[in-house]
Amino acid sequence: DARVTQTPRHKVTEMGQEVTMRCQPILGHNTVFWYRQTMMQGLELLAYFRNRAPLDDSGMPKDRFSAEMPDATLATLKIQPSEPRDSAVYFCASGLASAGGGYTFGSGTRLTVV
Amino acid sequence: RKEVEQDPGPFNVPEGATVAFNCTYSNSASQSFFWYRQDCRKEPKLLMSVYSSGNEDGRFTAQLNRASQYISLLIRDSKLSDSATYLCVGLNAGNNRKLIWGLGTSLAVNP
Repeated sequence: DARVTQTPRHKVTEMGQEVTMRCQPILGHNTVFWYRQTMMQGLELLAYFRNRAPLDDSGMPKDRFSAEMPDATLATLKIQPSEPRDSAVYFCASGLASAGGGYTFGSGTRLTVV
Repeated sequence: RKEVEQDPGPFNVPEGATVAFNCTYSNSASQSFFWYRQDCRKEPKLLMSVYSSGNEDGRFTAQLNRASQYISLLIRDSKLSDSATYLCVGLNAGNNRKLIWGLGTSLAVNP
């Protein structure tokens, strides 16, 4: 089965450090999402790309977060500087816009900022 | 108020029971709906799409009621392996086509 690959799976870092999370979407998928999940807020959309162009990043704190798709096989999410409140699971998902809401998620990056 | 609301549960049911979850949505522009399943410490996975006419996949039946703005998921003959969180998701129409997620309903199926 085709998979969305996310790295790293786990990351523990100190407050103030830069964190970079990577995602390899399924080949041929033209839509990529970055989500953050916490117990209290559930799944929050951070950024959304179609054909590598950013469509919506209104859910992302712009002062510290940035998301890019340098090519069709790689999406990145960076946090600089990281803060303890950024501790969460970050998921990448990919799919075809024409397929509606059936998207495939990666296994997530569990981030802990101490 | 969240755009998609679910009873968080937990629902505790014995094996073999029938259990139903409801989900309500407030944005009438929501075009399509889906149920995702998320196991503990795992990623969400698409369970099924929801159509106005209702759709069934084995022991699972999903229904959309646009007039009342709610979506339901029925699980028959529940198995231990059905224990998970079930997420209700709406897809907004238009170019944006964002997914709007509920917080999920937790189900525990007990032996």
